[in-house]
This record gives sequence, C-alpha cells and structure tokens, in this order.
Amino acid sequence: EDQVTQSPEALRLQEGESSSLNCSYTVSGLRGLFWYRQDPGKGPEFLFTLYSAGEEKEKERLKATLTKKESFLHITAPKPEDSATYLCAVQPNSGNTPLVFGKGTRLSVIA
Amino acid sequence: KAGVTQTPRYLIKTRGQQVTLSCSPISGHRSVSWYQQTPGQGLQFLFEYFSETQRNKGNFPGRFSGRQFSNSRSEMNVSTLELGDSALYLCASSRQGSGDGSPLHFGNGTRLTVT
Repeated sequence: EDQVTQSPEALRLQEGESSSLNCSYTVSGLRGLFWYRQDPGKGPEFLFTLYSAGEEKEKERLKATLTKKESFLHITAPKPEDSATYLCAVQPNSGNTPLVFGKGTRLSVIA
Repeated sequence: KAGVTQTPRYLIKTRGQQVTLSCSPISGHRSVSWYQQTPGQGLQFLFEYFSETQRNKGNFPGRFSGRQFSNSRSEMNVSTLELGDSALYLCASSRQGSGDGSPLHFGNGTRLTVT
C-alpha cells in the first residue's frame, strides 16, 4: 500500500532559525513527489514537483530535495509569513493512480 | 488566469439532508479531483473525473457521488448526511489528471458542517 509519513507533526521556529521537514514514502514506483503549502481556511498551494532521486528545487527560502525513500523541505532563515501547514504527496507510477498525501507538518515561525 | 473556484465556501446542514458542491476548474484543465480533508485523516481522495467520465474512486460509501459536465465543471453530492461528513471538501484540477506527473491545483474548498 502506498504511504506517506511526514515529520514532525508540528514545528515551532524562531525567525531566522533554519530547519527541515521530512517526508518519507513507500510507493510502488514513484512518478512524482509534490510539496504544497496550506494556509488556514485555504486550499493547498503548489510549491514543487520532484521526479527523481538527487533532484533539488528552490523557491525563495525553501529548497526541496529527494532521495529514493524520502524528501526534505529545507527552510532557510524563515520569516513569520512562512507559517503554514506543509503537505507532501506522491504520485505512484502505476496507471491512473491518484495522489497520496501525508498529514502535513504545521510550521509556526515566531518573530 | 483564474484559479479553481468552489462554491459555496460554507454550508451548514442537518443530519439526513443532502448537499451538492460545485467546482469550476482552471480553463483548459480536463481533470477534476475531489478530496475530503479532516484534522484526523488529512486529505482523503474521493474521486476523479476526466472528460465527463469517472476515472478513479476512493474508499468512500456510495452516499458520495459526483459528475462532470462537458465544460469540465464538476459537482459532488453527499446524500443522507452524517455528523462524520463534516469536513473541508477540496476540488483540484489538472490538464490530464492522475498518472501524468503534473501537479494538482486546488480551490479554497467548501467547509461543510453537519449538525
């Protein structure tokens, strides 16, 4: 069964304190791994897609990396506006299979 | 370019009633997926429609149904509402849908409360 586990469930950082969020996955072949950001009361907002081990993507203070078993979302010098829930999802490489989501990491950045 | 639009944003219904939620995808997107989001379970896949045909269905009871129209707009219906159906219902669209490796683009959801 395809599974995605995100850790930690919640993370509290001081402004400027860099850290990483983890996404571990078990999937029968990976077509793509996706990171989303979700603010309270809103739908998930697409951040990155990673397709193969070793791939990295960056956007402002965020960098996503991928290995064969997990992905990391690195947050460098975070600001309060980075506070949100970050969701990881995998696309299995087996026909028309829907995305499988993790339960997310709730990030709070304190000024 | 307009994003995914979901209506209504909020709904309050009573147990036993039925409800219909609406989703307009991004222009040019032919696939619409529906997800249920609750604090305990996260995002759970309901179903996906592509060119008016249901392509995938998640593990939800038959009370949950959907359809897609020729203009790619989609509706989902929940009949005989139960308290446990209270959740945020999210619609997402993509050009070709599941399996092609492209990301889903989500609307802001419909918050359904069943009393």
